[in-house]
Amino acid sequence: DTGVSQNPRHKITKRGQNVTFRCDPISEHNRLYWYRQTLGQGPEFLTYFQNEAQLEKSRLLSDRFSAERPKGSFSTLEIQRTEQGDSAMYLCASSPGVGLINTQYFGPGTRLTVL
Amino acid sequence: AQKVTQAQTEISVVEKEDVTLDCVYETRDTTYYLFWYKQPPSGELVFLIRRNSFDEQNEISGRYSWNFQKSTSSFNFTITASQVVDSAVYFCALSEANNDMRFGAGTRLTVKP
Repeated sequence: DTGVSQNPRHKITKRGQNVTFRCDPISEHNRLYWYRQTLGQGPEFLTYFQNEAQLEKSRLLSDRFSAERPKGSFSTLEIQRTEQGDSAMYLCASSPGVGLINTQYFGPGTRLTVL
Repeated sequence: AQKVTQAQTEISVVEKEDVTLDCVYETRDTTYYLFWYKQPPSGELVFLIRRNSFDEQNEISGRYSWNFQKSTSSFNFTITASQVVDSAVYFCALSEANNDMRFGAGTRLTVKP
């Protein structure tokens, strides 16, 4: 049983470039979440999916950010026209089931550095 | 609105000491869930415990114990006989019915040999 995986683990890009991250949840987990974590802070919620449906988006998710989860399996998070303020760790989590709150299991994260 | 406060930014102890990490939360919901996660230097958040608002029973798991008190809106975490491997950042988190999770700022624990 593998955990949540994220790729790449590190990404360095220049300001203005687009970047895309991938998250593979634990198999059979219906829910998938994206968080952003900056240095010295706790993770901040960005968005979440129930299967392929994106059910909630934080106000932190500006129009430069887009997330998809085609077919309800893996998910991608794309940031367009990156800014230095986007530098952070991007965390993905998944949880099983529907209805009740379920525990979220996190991946190792993708560390983004925007130069 | 939900809010989680971890007042202790950093704690340093010597191995074998007991240490308590504080967590205070705010919520308007009667149904909510509280969590503790550990983030070691490798960066991956590791789930430690989940508690729902209807279950105030304290829990012990090995050297770890949790004290949930609704009267003071606190969910404190105690490590008994700390070890160097316990060094990490520990996060308390709150989730209401809408499923997104609100984290505290974390407490960095350093256990010295």
